[in-house]
Amino acid sequence: DAGVIQSPRHEVTEMGQEVTLRCKPISGHDYLFWYRQTMMRGLELLIYFNNNVPIDDSGMPEDRFSAKMPNASFSTLKIQPSEPRDSAVYFCASSFEVLTSSHQETQYFGPGTRLLVL
Amino acid sequence: AQKITQTQPGMFVQEKEAVTLDCTYDTSDPSYGLFWYKQPSSGEMIFLIYQGSYDQQNATEGRYSLNFQKARKSANLVISASQLGDSAMYFCAMRVEYTGANSKLTFGKGITLSVRP
Repeated sequence: DAGVIQSPRHEVTEMGQEVTLRCKPISGHDYLFWYRQTMMRGLELLIYFNNNVPIDDSGMPEDRFSAKMPNASFSTLKIQPSEPRDSAVYFCASSFEVLTSSHQETQYFGPGTRLLVL
Repeated sequence: AQKITQTQPGMFVQEKEAVTLDCTYDTSDPSYGLFWYKQPSSGEMIFLIYQGSYDQQNATEGRYSLNFQKARKSANLVISASQLGDSAMYFCAMRVEYTGANSKLTFGKGITLSVRP
């Protein structure tokens, strides 16, 4: 089975440009998560969806960031306009529904998109 | 609020020896899950092992085992017979149960492990 698919794998853009990151979760998974990883802040959860509906976007840094999940097999994370401080690795992850937190419903991560904003 | 603490500096281990990576957590929720992920230099996040708060036995997955001490709130990862390919960053993560967010993972800062030949 294919894992979580992310594209592009690398993105270099100039400040002010719009950036769109894409994610295809594992088929059948109910949850989709977007994370950002930097040296300074580690791994941060930006937003997550349950059955295509955003549940918690409290980690989204500011209005320049937006995420959508138009269907169960596709999600986008958009940054507009991009800034140098947005440079990071962005991960998408997915999992089955978590019945209780002590249930082992593992989040499986995509390979990440390495974003560099000049 | 839940918190994961990984405070070890970079760890070094000789090939074929065992190593323990420390993780302590803080939560008041009785129901939670603990995860370990590996991130090699290539960047992907690889799931290693899981421990549920109600599990009676320590989790094991091949060369990985989790030393779960509930009273101490620790969930240390033990890697036996280290291999060169184990050199990576290792993250401990926790999921707690509260309304509407029982799928959310909180990650520690990670520990770098280097395996020496």
